[in-house]
Order: sequence, then C-alpha cells, then structure tokens
Amino acid sequence: AQSVTQLGSHVSVSEGALVLLRCNYSSSVPPYLFWYVQYPNQGLQLLLKYTSAATLVKGINGFEAEFKKSETSFHLTKPSAHMSDAAEYFCAVANTGRRALTFGSGTRLQVQP
Amino acid sequence: DTAVSQTPKYLVTQMGNDKSIKCEQNLGHDTMYWYKQDSKKFLKIMFSYNNKELIINETVPNRFSPKSPDKAHLNLHINSLELGDSAVYFCASSLDRGRSEQYFGPGTRLTVT
Repeated sequence: AQSVTQLGSHVSVSEGALVLLRCNYSSSVPPYLFWYVQYPNQGLQLLLKYTSAATLVKGINGFEAEFKKSETSFHLTKPSAHMSDAAEYFCAVANTGRRALTFGSGTRLQVQP
Repeated sequence: DTAVSQTPKYLVTQMGNDKSIKCEQNLGHDTMYWYKQDSKKFLKIMFSYNNKELIINETVPNRFSPKSPDKAHLNLHINSLELGDSAVYFCASSLDRGRSEQYFGPGTRLTVT
C-alpha cells in the first residue's frame, strides 16, 4: 500500500523567507501525489497534484513541488512566505488499491512578521 | 456556488444520541467519501461510494452507517454516540474511482459530551 511521511510537524519561517515542507512517499507503482492546505476551521483545498506528466508541478498561491523518484520525495516550496500562508499542509498519495487518499500527518506552517 | 457542502457545520450532542451529517456535491462527480480528522489533525478514510455503491468500508464501528440516495449525496448516520466520536468529519468527492483529485467540504465538527 502507498503511504506518505511528512517530516516536521511544525515549521516556522519569517515573512519573505523560503518555505520548504517535506514529504516522502512509499509506493510500489508510480504514485499520484497531492498537496492540500487547510486554513483554520476550514476544509482542505487542493494546492497541486503530481500525475507523472511533469516532475515540477506548479500550484496555486505561488507554491510548487518537485517529484524526485530517486529520493522518493515530493517537497512543497514557495520562494517567499506571506502571512496568509499560515495553515496546516497535508501531503497525500492516491491509494490505487482502495481508491482513496492516504494522508501524511500534516505540517503546521507558522509565518512570523 | 459551493462545490461540496455539509450540514451541519457544528454538532454538539450527548453520549448515546443518534445524529446524521449530510453532504451534497454539485460537481457531477461519481465518487464521494467520508473522512475523519482527529484532534491531532490526522485524516483517515472511513467510507467511499461510487455511483451509490459502497466501495470502501474501513474498520469503522457498525454504529456508523453511510447512505447514498443518489450520486450527488452521501449522508453519515451515527448511532449511540460515544465520546471518542468527537472529531471533524469531512465529505469529499472526485470525478471517478481512479486517482483524480478530491474536493473537500468545509467539515462538520462533532462534539460528544
């Protein structure tokens, strides 16, 4: 079964600094990978997805992620953090057997002024 | 126009009661899901329906019963509520059973006292 691991439950950056949120996956087949964002008291919003078309995926709000097969990673980055980026971020993999998403444990991003 | 909607947004009830949460999607999707998010923000699949047919039924107590009257609706009924059922429940939908992205509702925060 596919799985994802998010390294770091909390990440704190200064406004304007680089954001890097880490996600590693485990999959015996080419994975479909997703990043979702959850703002306080809201549902999950899709940031971006990887479906094997291109290794560098651009998403909404200036985020992007790079699929690296050799490192089994799909890290999320943003060149310059904004206060509004403060939220919980989830990496997920589409589980081919069960047709559902398996989520990582989430990373809370704090942005300091 | 809300893509995936849930009612109610908040639900506070006592142990032993029976309650329902309703979900509707207007995206024309074939597959709908229920996820549970615990107090540590961990998300886990509970059920999935495809065209009104149950396709995923995780290890969830029998007190939880999903019902899909049509492919745009997926309701969750919970009998004999317990303290441990307190969580946020998210409905989601996707285009098909494959590995397409899922769209989430705003969540229902259930508190059992």
